[in-house]
Amino acid sequence: GQSLEQPSEVTAVEGAIVQINCTYQTSGFYGLSWYQQHDGGAPTFLSYNALDGLEETGRFSSFLSRSDSYGYLLLQELQMKDSASYFCAVRNNFNKFYFGSGTKLNVKP
Amino acid sequence: EPEVTQTPSHQVTQMGQEVILRCVPISNHLYFYWYRQILGQKVEFLVSFYNNEISEKSEIFDDQFSVERPDGSNFTLKIRSTKLEDSAMYFCASSPTGSTGELFFGEGSRLTVL
Repeated sequence: GQSLEQPSEVTAVEGAIVQINCTYQTSGFYGLSWYQQHDGGAPTFLSYNALDGLEETGRFSSFLSRSDSYGYLLLQELQMKDSASYFCAVRNNFNKFYFGSGTKLNVKP
Repeated sequence: EPEVTQTPSHQVTQMGQEVILRCVPISNHLYFYWYRQILGQKVEFLVSFYNNEISEKSEIFDDQFSVERPDGSNFTLKIRSTKLEDSAMYFCASSPTGSTGELFFGEGSRLTVL
């Protein structure tokens, strides 16, 4: 089976940097994705790591360590609009994506 | 910009009734998915569909559920004999290939079973 662990909630102030961790257990691992979901909205894709290392996309970066079954999403220069839930999702060898329980990020002024 | 569209946006039904949720994936995409999200909880995988057949399904996707791609554009999820616990947001998603980590989600269909 699959399991993903991420913190349920994180709070940070505007302009700060926050890291959301994700540890996973799965068979046939292909990669780790990150999605953002605002209340009432659809998940939207942020980043994908298939190989170890850091991927940077603007203010957002994502890291993967396959040997540690661990990844994180790093959000820099936090803005109020970044307040949302963030999900990590593992992609397995059947092109199936399993989502974690999500981390609710609260950005305060 | 191409997008995944879902209808209806909200459906209210009585327990025991059948419901069909419709999705139009992005036109050149090859992989299609249904996910559901109970309010405040995680996004749960239901089924994936490729080359006109189910490629994988979860334990949730029992005989009560079925999917169909009746023509070249629509992708439907049918829920037979709905139960109270089927109340959730149902998301359709599509992906162009099997090598990307990106799923394109529709805005969802909220199902309320009374």
